[in-house]
Amino acid sequence: GDSVTQMEGPVTLSEEAFLTINCTYTATGYPSLFWYVQYPGEGLQLLLKATKADDKGSNKGFEATYRKETTSFHLEKGSVQVSDSAVYFCALTRNTGGFKTIFGAGTRLFVKA
Amino acid sequence: DVKVTQSSRYLVKRTGEKVFLECVQDMDHENMFWYRQDPGLGLRLIYFSYDVKMKEKGDIPEGYSVSREKKERFSLILESASTNQTSMYLCASSSSGLAGGVPNNEQFFGPGTRLTVL
Repeated sequence: GDSVTQMEGPVTLSEEAFLTINCTYTATGYPSLFWYVQYPGEGLQLLLKATKADDKGSNKGFEATYRKETTSFHLEKGSVQVSDSAVYFCALTRNTGGFKTIFGAGTRLFVKA
Repeated sequence: DVKVTQSSRYLVKRTGEKVFLECVQDMDHENMFWYRQDPGLGLRLIYFSYDVKMKEKGDIPEGYSVSREKKERFSLILESASTNQTSMYLCASSSSGLAGGVPNNEQFFGPGTRLTVL
């Protein structure tokens, strides 16, 4: 079945450091790919998405590129801030046959001042 | 501002009690979902609904039931709460519409209900 694997956390970085959170997926067909973020005490919210191969999603300085050849959707940010401390979830949804979204286990990010 | 609201942020119940978790969305979305979130396990789908009075089992439906009598409201029911149902419960909704020719599929989440069963 479909699945999403993302790097285990926690990830601890200093402010202004470069961030990469790896995400790989297994799915039939051409799913849409998402990164959601969960700030402390809140539900998840969409950070960015990509719906086809080679698309780049971007938002708030974060980027991820849909790589079909490597089945990956790694999240990157050039300079993290303390306010980026959160849990990040990679997810996929098939574009045919239903509305279910498969989530990765989440990666907790701590950014130190 | 679009919104998904959940009836309680924190709930404490006793083993064997019947528990109702309510979720309401104001976006006229067709699809609604209930997840539980546990450390190291991410989000696991309990039930979902793609229309009024319709429901589908997710990956972990045992011990739960749902009700969707109105489009905007999706209720999760624990018939007889047990300690292993202590968790964070998240409700979400999504549209069945298209964006750029593909299903939109973005899910909008409520703030969550942290349920403790003693």
